[in-house]
Amino acid sequence: SAVISQKPSRDICQRGTSLTIQCQVDSQVTMMFWYRQQPGQSLTLIATANQGSEATYESGFVIDKFPISRPNLTFSTLTVSNMSPEDSSIYLCSVSRNTEAFFGQGTRLTVV
Amino acid sequence: AQSVTQLDSQVPVFEEAPVELRCNYSSSVSVYLFWYVQYPNQGLQLLLKYLSGSTLVKGINGFEAEFNKSQTSFHLRKPSVHISDTAEYFCAVRTQGGSEKLVFGKGTKLTVNP
Repeated sequence: SAVISQKPSRDICQRGTSLTIQCQVDSQVTMMFWYRQQPGQSLTLIATANQGSEATYESGFVIDKFPISRPNLTFSTLTVSNMSPEDSSIYLCSVSRNTEAFFGQGTRLTVV
Repeated sequence: AQSVTQLDSQVPVFEEAPVELRCNYSSSVSVYLFWYVQYPNQGLQLLLKYLSGSTLVKGINGFEAEFNKSQTSFHLRKPSVHISDTAEYFCAVRTQGGSEKLVFGKGTKLTVNP
């Protein structure tokens, strides 16, 4: 299994500001994934973060809006930049191990 | 590219009744299939997965699912539900041997009433 710690668990932010979400895994992993879950919706992959290289973004997501860092094999951050109310969502960090995906508890973001 | 369709957005049932949550997928390559559960204000927890072999897979909390390749379905079932099964259920797929990223369905909200 994998234990994933995500911080903060929730936050309320003013529009136009940025929030950085941290994800810590209990052991080394090659890839880390960031998902977004909009209110009442399913999970959508934002990007895949590999250590030592640029993150790979899915269609509809760009680096300027969601910059990602991956400084080592157990840690990653996702920043939500220049926030608007449409960014209000749950953001989840995930890793895969032996074909199974594990998820953090998520960061519930509300933009006002 | 893969896609997942969960045909029911909400399923209300009475306690101790059987339930089936439907999931269909589309993919041009072989896939792995998963069901996840999300309890209120919590992260996702794996219920069960199909990788290969027997098409009937059993998971935690008494859930099971059957993979049907010809119908591209992976429906989730439980013979007798409890109040504590009230949650959001997500079906997901990923390609075999390819990227580890998951494609999720829109979810089914299961509400178990007394």
